[in-house]
Amino acid sequence: NAGVTQTPKFRILKIGQSMTLQCTQDMNHNYMYWYRQDPGMGLKLIYYSVGAGITDKGEVPNGYNVSRSTTEDFPLRLELAAPSQTSVYFCASSYQGERNQPQHFGDGTRLSIL
Amino acid sequence: GNSVTQMEGPVTLSEEAFLTINCTYTATGYPSLFWYVQYPGEGLQLLLKATKADDKGSNKGFEATYRKETTSFHLEKGSVQVSDSAVYFCALNSGNTGKLIFGQGTTLQVKP
Repeated sequence: NAGVTQTPKFRILKIGQSMTLQCTQDMNHNYMYWYRQDPGMGLKLIYYSVGAGITDKGEVPNGYNVSRSTTEDFPLRLELAAPSQTSVYFCASSYQGERNQPQHFGDGTRLSIL
Repeated sequence: GNSVTQMEGPVTLSEEAFLTINCTYTATGYPSLFWYVQYPGEGLQLLLKATKADDKGSNKGFEATYRKETTSFHLEKGSVQVSDSAVYFCALNSGNTGKLIFGQGTTLQVKP
């Protein structure tokens, strides 16, 4: 049971570099989400997707882009890395978007931008 | 807008002590409420949930009751163990896109 898999687990970037955080799930979930977790701040939603080909902004989308070409994959791209994007990033998925459906989380990607 | 407020941490307890972590919320409509737990170096795991007023969610000895009159969803456990040391997040979902609104998290440290 792989669930939600995120790669890489750790990464250090220089200011201005770009990278893609990978997320894949094997539960055939339609809904997928990207969050960032800053110390003492809880999780903030960056982007989400309700199915292949459909994405929408969350609370803190600036500086990020996403795509959803398949049900399984939901990569998050940072185009011009900035120190403010230093954070732990979590990908999650749920079967449907109904309010009683829990989300399943990956183990996170810890990203530092120096 | 919707929001979740948790008690400040860290909370430090001795093994077998009683645990309460307070959570209150502001939301329109009838949200579902969740508690997630995050162990060191791991992602969030669902601990329990409640989907309507007066529902009680329970799992692994933890309980929380959905109180609409006080807009609260406090987490309780009668006797904590060292293995319960983790960060606990209260969250709500009030819409039809599955988006969760999280509290800031409460760190629990249990000492032997």
